[in-house]
Amino acid sequence: DAKTTQPPSMDCAEGRAANLPCNHSTISGNEYVYWYRQIHSQGPQYIIHGLKNNETNEMASLIITEDRKSSTLILPHATLRDTAVYYCIVRVAIYNTDKLIFGTGTRLQVFP
Amino acid sequence: GAVVSQHPSWVICKSGTSVKIECRSLDFQATTMFWYRQFPKQSLMLMATSNEGSKATYEQGVEKDKFLINHASLTLSTLTVTSAHPEDSSFYICSASSHEAFFGQGTRLTVV
Repeated sequence: DAKTTQPPSMDCAEGRAANLPCNHSTISGNEYVYWYRQIHSQGPQYIIHGLKNNETNEMASLIITEDRKSSTLILPHATLRDTAVYYCIVRVAIYNTDKLIFGTGTRLQVFP
Repeated sequence: GAVVSQHPSWVICKSGTSVKIECRSLDFQATTMFWYRQFPKQSLMLMATSNEGSKATYEQGVEKDKFLINHASLTLSTLTVTSAHPEDSSFYICSASSHEAFFGQGTRLTVV
């Protein structure tokens, strides 16, 4: 079973920041938080991951609470192309054979 | 970045026939690959873990004799749907990991 819970859907205006929350209250000390997104009829795309520190890359920022029980993915300036299903997954990163278990994800709709 | 290529992108087959889907890691070696299935408006469901040089590990409820997996090299895993039925129509996605998991573009199978 997935170890994360996410809201089923969210809307965001184009150009505004999209903040996608994720709860992972049972996360273990050696588990990372990963975010992927899936645009319609494509394979999932890696976005970002983190352990306990906040992370930023060219796509997004990841904010992890101090107790690590929840996190927020931030798309700073959402565009229409960011419309997708976003999945938050916990995973032990050091094992590259660790399988990814997907939850239901959040369907983000960016509108003009 | 690392790329996983899946072929074909879509296939239509008749009931009772078999269909083979290929998954290749293009610029890294993958001792382990994963196969997922996704029905419309649902999340990805892990079917099996493909292990190079050994038998695949199937998730509960997935018929190993129906979904044959072969991982003959470090860059290629194949999924064969045997004796396909209309209920096998789905979106099949593979993944392989280096430091993060990369996904193929998916194969849409339609059984008529």
